[in-house]
Amino acid sequence: GDSVTQMEGPVTLSEEAFLTINCTYTATGYPSLFWYVQYPGEGLQLLLKATKADDKGSNKGFEATYRKETTSFHLEKGSVQVSDSAVYFCALSVIGDYKLSFGAGTTVTVRA
Amino acid sequence: DAGVIQSPRHEVTEMGQEVTLRCKPISGHNSLFWYRQTMMRGLELLIYFNNNVPIDDSGMPEDRFSAKMPNASFSTLKIQPSEPRDSAVYFCASSSHNRDLTFGSGTRLTVV
Repeated sequence: GDSVTQMEGPVTLSEEAFLTINCTYTATGYPSLFWYVQYPGEGLQLLLKATKADDKGSNKGFEATYRKETTSFHLEKGSVQVSDSAVYFCALSVIGDYKLSFGAGTTVTVRA
Repeated sequence: DAGVIQSPRHEVTEMGQEVTLRCKPISGHNSLFWYRQTMMRGLELLIYFNNNVPIDDSGMPEDRFSAKMPNASFSTLKIQPSEPRDSAVYFCASSSHNRDLTFGSGTRLTVV
């Protein structure tokens, strides 16, 4: 079935450090890929997405590139802030299927 | 737009009691999802409605859980009778045809 696997956390970083969260996927069709972010006490918010191979999604300094050859969609940010502390979820959906398949989530804590 | 609105934000109830969670999706969205989030199991899709019709309820844990969508602007998730293992954060999310889910802030349910 369709699924995503993301690196386990928690991840603890200092401010201005570089962040990478790995995400790989398995899909029977041609998926769209997403990163969602969940801040403490809130629901999930769409952070960025990519709908075809080699697309780069970006938002709030975060980037992820849809790599079909490695079935990956790794999330990166060059200089994190304390306000980036959150849980990050990788997800995919396949055309014609309403379901979003979520990864387990990665908790990121950024220390001042 | 006020986004997806869920109520209550927090609910504490005794085992055996009926619990009703409420959701108002974004106006114009034709798809509605109920998710459950726990530390052990992550995000689980409970039920999916399209145009107010339940399409997939395979994620509903057991007969104690039921969901309705009487119109395009309102949905409920009911648990009767509630059990301590139902304690979780329940999210409602809605989307239109582009599949970008918008989540509500969730209801934190504690069953004692």
